[in-house]
Amino acid sequence: DTAVSQTPKYLVTQMGNDKSIKCEQNLGHDTMYWYKQDSKKFLKIMFSYNNKELIINETVPNRFSPKSPDKAHLNLHINSLELGDSAVYFCASSREPGGAGTEAFFGQGTRLTVV
Amino acid sequence: GDSVTQMEGPVTLSEEAFLTINCTYTATGYPSLFWYVQYPGEGLQLLLKATKADDKGSNKGFEATYRKETTSFHLEKGSVQVSDSAVYFCALSGRYSSASKIIFGSGTRLSIRP
Repeated sequence: DTAVSQTPKYLVTQMGNDKSIKCEQNLGHDTMYWYKQDSKKFLKIMFSYNNKELIINETVPNRFSPKSPDKAHLNLHINSLELGDSAVYFCASSREPGGAGTEAFFGQGTRLTVV
Repeated sequence: GDSVTQMEGPVTLSEEAFLTINCTYTATGYPSLFWYVQYPGEGLQLLLKATKADDKGSNKGFEATYRKETTSFHLEKGSVQVSDSAVYFCALSGRYSSASKIIFGSGTRLSIRP
């Protein structure tokens, strides 16, 4: 009964490959996010979706394409992987887009290593 | 744009020491403020939050007070334990047009010696 679950937990792949990370939340939340955490632990938002609609796209290369088939799922597809894409990717969800005190619930993260 | 600045780590303390991790923010409007904790190999968990000025968030012995006059939300704990070793993130959330996002500080790694 994990609230926000993402798969896989670890992903090692070669440069140039295409890969996907899946995320599902069972909290009934309307808003989902993808964050990237670099090796220095800095967290940067990549995308935010509300009810399957993209509402934030933070200067992310267009090799990254999020897809939300329904409001409980937000997947991240990455084309032509590069070494610099190596990071931990976190999925998160929140009840609504930015109401007072809205907190986010995070998945366990996917550690992507591009070799 | 909005931002969060927190003290650089790593911070190393002995068990039962007093902890302060400083956090200041820059924001338009009235954001909500949060502290998240990330234990090794895990995702982020909400530690505490405050939604308006002078609110105090508290949880597991940690406290932080939303100070609008100094735009700060410093994290404190009176007596730390080895199990508190983790990375701590200060964050804010607010509305940006019709969107929302949570903006994180750079994180402070805390290590507690037995």
